Amino acid sequence: AQSVSQHNHHVILSEAASLELGCNYSYGGTVNLFWYVQYPGQHLQLLLKYFSGDPLVKGIKGFEAEFIKSKFSFNLRKPSVQWSDTAEYFCAVSAFMDTGRRALTFGSGTRLQVQP
Amino acid sequence: DVKVTQSSRYLVKRTGEKVFLECVQDMDHENMFWYRQDPGLGLRLIYFSYDVKMKEKGDIPEGYSVSREKKERFSLILESASTNQTSMYLCASTEPGAEAFFGQGTRLTVV
Repeated sequence: AQSVSQHNHHVILSEAASLELGCNYSYGGTVNLFWYVQYPGQHLQLLLKYFSGDPLVKGIKGFEAEFIKSKFSFNLRKPSVQWSDTAEYFCAVSAFMDTGRRALTFGSGTRLQVQP
Repeated sequence: DVKVTQSSRYLVKRTGEKVFLECVQDMDHENMFWYRQDPGLGLRLIYFSYDVKMKEKGDIPEGYSVSREKKERFSLILESASTNQTSMYLCASTEPGAEAFFGQGTRLTVV
């Protein structure tokens, strides 16, 4: 079955540490890739997206992600985290289902806790 | 400013009740989605709709149905609520393949 996997469920970092969150997907065709963030008590909001072109994409708040097609991966990175980055992060993939329609599928999420 | 509005922020229902969750978007998007969000499980797709009166099952459709009579409105129906349907329900809308916009969520408790 098609799926999106996030390997880290809970990450604890100190401020200024570097962050990398893994995301792998199992869709074989053309995909659009997203990272969303959910701050405590808030809506999901888009961090960044990849549709085509340069596989290194930059998003808001200093986040970036790299699409590696051969590894079916779209890992999220930030060189230096801040306490305000404490949130839950979701990887998502938009891909065609067997029915020919595009669905948006999410990973299980990674809870990031940044300690001051 | 884009907007996806869910009719209730919190709901408490009894086991066996029929429950309606409503979602309205003002962006004229083709696609609308219903997810449930549970700790450690992320967002799981229940149903989505790609046009008026058109729907497709997601990963966990059992116990749910949906209705899309108008482009801007997508309803999730729990035919007979059960305690294992206690969850946060999120509605989203999008153009196919593009960024999704989310509502604020409905926290449903079934007692």
